[in-house]
Amino acid sequence: GAVVSQHPSRVICKSGTSVKIECRSLDFQATTMFWYRQFPKQSLMLMATSNEGSKATYEQGVEKDKFLINHASLTLSTLTVTSAHPEDSSFYICSAAGGHTDTQYFGPGTRLTVL
Amino acid sequence: ILNVEQSPQSLHVQEGDSTNFTCSFPSSNFYALHWYRWETAKSPEALFVMTLNGDEKKKGRISATLNTKEGYSYLYIKGSQPEDSATYLCASPRLGRTSYGKLTFGQGTILTVHP
Repeated sequence: GAVVSQHPSRVICKSGTSVKIECRSLDFQATTMFWYRQFPKQSLMLMATSNEGSKATYEQGVEKDKFLINHASLTLSTLTVTSAHPEDSSFYICSAAGGHTDTQYFGPGTRLTVL
Repeated sequence: ILNVEQSPQSLHVQEGDSTNFTCSFPSSNFYALHWYRWETAKSPEALFVMTLNGDEKKKGRISATLNTKEGYSYLYIKGSQPEDSATYLCASPRLGRTSYGKLTFGQGTILTVHP
């Protein structure tokens, strides 16, 4: 149980385009989903917290207009990187928690490369 | 800001060796400590959630201990196998009403077990 999928696993896009990443909880309802970013040789850094039916809360330094998050249902959250630039190239990974958020269940991540 | 540190950054052991690594965290206002195992191209897998000082948890050949007074946790692997090769992450939740569930991760320890 507690499986989280993430799609796509890898995406290459041109500078200026937008990219959407989906995060789905497959066998449980996720009241809260988290989006992280990882640069090479660094920790997973929390970008934003997404609660179903409400606006996401963003961490300091993360531009909400650039990283649009939608959590329209209890099983799906999406992250859209708008007008992507090469500096947005990174590994993006989501996690999902249901009810008490003692344990977060992670997707496999998305490698974004912006040319 | 919560600092979670892991050491060593990487570790190479031979099959059959036992090994351990460390996660350190601020001892004040401690709530919980999470351990994850992250194999390449897969989702991070939750291993343990530890909350009580002196706690010891075990899952097969992997065990973990917790010292909240001095702010560290050890992860032990007995009789390492090549399939144990992965990045081991620890994380601790921030405190405060707006921080519930938000995890701060260490950089991880990359374990490679050579046959």
